[in-house]
Amino acid sequence: KAGVTQTPRYLIKTRGQQVTLSCSPISGHRSVSWYQQTPGQGLQFLFEYFSETQRNKGNFPGRFSGRQFSNSRSEMNVSTLELGDSALYLCASSVLPNQPQHFGDGTRLSIL
Amino acid sequence: AQTVTQSQPEMSVQEAETVTLSCTYDTSESDYYLFWYKQPPSRQMILVIRQEAYKQQNATENRFSVNFQKAAKSFSLKISDSQLGDAAMYFCAYRSARGRDDKIIFGKGTRLHILP
Repeated sequence: KAGVTQTPRYLIKTRGQQVTLSCSPISGHRSVSWYQQTPGQGLQFLFEYFSETQRNKGNFPGRFSGRQFSNSRSEMNVSTLELGDSALYLCASSVLPNQPQHFGDGTRLSIL
Repeated sequence: AQTVTQSQPEMSVQEAETVTLSCTYDTSESDYYLFWYKQPPSRQMILVIRQEAYKQQNATENRFSVNFQKAAKSFSLKISDSQLGDAAMYFCAYRSARGRDDKIIFGKGTRLHILP
């Protein structure tokens, strides 16, 4: 069974640009969560989607948004990029919310 | 608000020895889940062990076991017979079992070094 797939693995952008990250969950998993990991702040929850609806949201500005498609794949978008957005972005999927999550390898985003 | 604290930023243990990683949390809820995740240099977070708060019995997964003290809000991870492959960042995490505000809250992590 294929694991959680995140694309791309690495991304370099400049300030002010926008970026879209993709996450394909494990087959049969309907819940997808996104996390931001930085050395200073650690792992922080961004949002969770279930059945194409945002179920939960962390304390991030509106520049961070996401969506989930009918096949459970999810995308995360960050607009007007700032230097502080440089981070590892992790996606995790589970069959249902509150079930054990399986993580992808993450997308390393660097802002120049 | 719930918080998770890992007081040991780094730890080292000799191969084949036993090590215990500490975690404390703060919550006013009675129903929740606790987790230990491992993140090796390859970056992928791997679930090591999961504990439901309503279960008094400590969870065990092969060489990994927890000491769950609900009253003390403590959730430590014991790794027995440490192996070189155990070297990683370990994160303790909390998740409410009630309501929709059940996002996972992670501690800052403990970097574990295994000495050959």
